[in-house]
Amino acid sequence: EPEVTQTPSHQVTQMGQEVILRCVPISNHLYFYWYRQILGQKVEFLVSFYNNEISEKSEIFDDQFSVERPDGSNFTLKIRSTKLEDSAMYFCASSEAPGGSSYEQYFGPGTRLTVT
Amino acid sequence: GIQVEQSPPDLILQEGANSTLRCNFSDSVNNLQWFHQNPWGQLINLFYIPSGTKQNGRLSATTVATERYSLLYISSSQTTDSGVYFCAVVEETSGSRLTFGEGTQLTVNP
Repeated sequence: EPEVTQTPSHQVTQMGQEVILRCVPISNHLYFYWYRQILGQKVEFLVSFYNNEISEKSEIFDDQFSVERPDGSNFTLKIRSTKLEDSAMYFCASSEAPGGSSYEQYFGPGTRLTVT
Repeated sequence: GIQVEQSPPDLILQEGANSTLRCNFSDSVNNLQWFHQNPWGQLINLFYIPSGTKQNGRLSATTVATERYSLLYISSSQTTDSGVYFCAVVEETSGSRLTFGEGTQLTVNP
C-alpha cells in the first residue's frame, strides 16, 4: 500500500540553525500539507501546497518557514533559524485533492525536531 | 474557525471492554477523519467518514453530519489499542486544512 515517508525520523539542532525536513508524498497525490504537534498538545495545521505554490497557511507559518517541491517526488519544510519553541513532531500529509473536495489526507510517520 | 471537542479526555478500560469516543464540531464539514496516535507518535488513519457508518474489524465509526458529531466505537479492546485518538475535520467553507480535536487518551489494561 502506498504511504507517505519522511526523513529524518529524529533531528536535533541548535537554536539559530537552519533545518530541512523532507517528505515523499504518495505518488499520484496532488496536494501536500505540513502539520506540527508540540509534545502533549494537539496537531496543528501549518501549510498546504498545490501546483508549486502555497494554497493556504496558518498564523504559525511565519517568515522563518518555507516549503518547496524541489523535484517530482520530494516536498520539504525549511525552518531558517530555529527557536526552542519549534521543538515538535512535524507531520507531512498528502491527498489526491484538497480536503474541501472530500478527499482523505494520508499522514507520514513524522519527524521529531528537538531544538537545544 | 471551527471548534472540535472530543470526549472523554481520558479513558481507562480493562482488556475486552467496549468503548465509545465522541467528537463534536461546531460547523458544517466535508471531511472528517479519525486517527490513532501510537506510542511512537505516528498518526494512523482509522476512518475517513464525513457522513454515514463504516466498520473495520473491531472498530467502527458513525458521523451524523446534520447534528455535527461523530462516534468511534472500539469493541473487545486490546492493550495495543492504547494511545491517543484524534478526530479532525475540514470546515466546509474554509479551504482544506484539517482542524484537530484535543484527543482522547485511551489506556487498556491487561
